[in-house]
Amino acid sequence: NAGVMQNPRHLVRRRGQEARLRCSPMKGHSHVYWYRQLPEEGLKFMVYLQKENIIDESGMPKERFSAEFPKEGPSILRIQQVVRGDSAAYFCASSPEPGTSYEQYFGPGTRLTVT
Amino acid sequence: GDSVTQMEGPVTLSEEAFLTINCTYTATGYPSLFWYVQYPGEGLQLLLKATKADDKGSNKGFEATYRKETTSFHLEKGSVQVSDSAVYFCALSGSGNTGKLIFGQGTTLQVKP
Repeated sequence: NAGVMQNPRHLVRRRGQEARLRCSPMKGHSHVYWYRQLPEEGLKFMVYLQKENIIDESGMPKERFSAEFPKEGPSILRIQQVVRGDSAAYFCASSPEPGTSYEQYFGPGTRLTVT
Repeated sequence: GDSVTQMEGPVTLSEEAFLTINCTYTATGYPSLFWYVQYPGEGLQLLLKATKADDKGSNKGFEATYRKETTSFHLEKGSVQVSDSAVYFCALSGSGNTGKLIFGQGTTLQVKP
């Protein structure tokens, strides 16, 4: 059973460009979480999605950031018009069900660098 | 709001030394508590967890006890190995039972032979 997959692993964008980060959850998992890790900081929750639904986006910046988890295909975190402050590691995690009874399995992350 | 505070690193120890990484939390309600480990270039892996007061989580020689009276969940290991070198994150489950996690800032552990 393959683990959580994220691609690309490294992404370089110039200011003003768009960044698309992909996350394929583990097989059988329909719940996806996105977290951001800024340099020298812990992970911060961004958004929680189920298939075709955003359940909790309380950690998402109000502008330029969006996320989706379509019926088919990976979850996508999209950052429009990137700025240097968006440089961070973005981690995706998946679980078979929500709540703390079920472990979240993390992907290796996408490291975004904005130049 | 809910938050987690960990001791600052890096923590540098010799092999076979005793490890303690302090973690305290602030939360409404009764969160579950977790320790995650991150090896270089990899994602986070769940190390152990505790879901209610006085529970002890344990795995691979690591232990942590959920102390409600001191709002703490300190990580301990009796004898560390070089292979334990990693970043350790304390976390709690956020409110609403959606499973979202609130993390501390992480503590880097370096174990020297």
